[in-house]
Amino acid sequence: DIVMTQSPDSLAVSLGERATINCKSSQSVLYRSNNKNYLGWYQQKPGQPPKLLIYWASTRESGVPDRFSGSGSGTDFTFTISSLQAEDVAVYYCHQYYTTPLTFGGGTKVEIK
Amino acid sequence: EVQLVESGGGLVQPGGSLRLSCAASGFTFSSFWMTWVRQAPGKGLEWVANIKEDGNERYYVDSVKGRFTISRDNAKNSLYLQMKSLRAEDTAVYYCGRGRDSDYWGQGTLVTVSS
Repeated sequence: DIVMTQSPDSLAVSLGERATINCKSSQSVLYRSNNKNYLGWYQQKPGQPPKLLIYWASTRESGVPDRFSGSGSGTDFTFTISSLQAEDVAVYYCHQYYTTPLTFGGGTKVEIK
Repeated sequence: EVQLVESGGGLVQPGGSLRLSCAASGFTFSSFWMTWVRQAPGKGLEWVANIKEDGNERYYVDSVKGRFTISRDNAKNSLYLQMKSLRAEDTAVYYCGRGRDSDYWGQGTLVTVSS
């Protein structure tokens, strides 16, 4: 099974500042035949289902503000909120859909400092 | 507008059974893999199972193999999860998701396994 390790478990960032979350997979999620990383980032606010923000590691879902971005390839990935807004308080998960069993990172709780 | 609506959750005793349903609308259901993901109270997300567009491929997390069955009815735009031999550790909100990457999610249905 591919283990997804997210860090940190939580972080507190001032409004307007940058928040960065790391995600490391225990094996590559890059499919070489199409050069795509099967890695997504999800936001979950309290009492709500998760929402896909980023897919293929770096492609922003339609309608997602451009302050959200993803980068990385292979086994190391980064999710960034460039300028934290109050409405961004949530838990963020990375998720590999490269191979079954599909797996999620443990989540990172983002709060306002 | 893509909509996924889960139903069928509830309180069940250990060893019991439950069948979850997910009604899909707003997209061509038969063109997408479908997924079940669960979230235990206060915990993270756990992928449970997914099923190919035509239903001919199904995959499960080890902890539910032999107890849960994922299925779909493309004529009814519906996804199902038959759960048997339920355990306390199956207690969770169960979400259905569209696609292997779950780009859309329903609101979830709560399954509580307790005596």
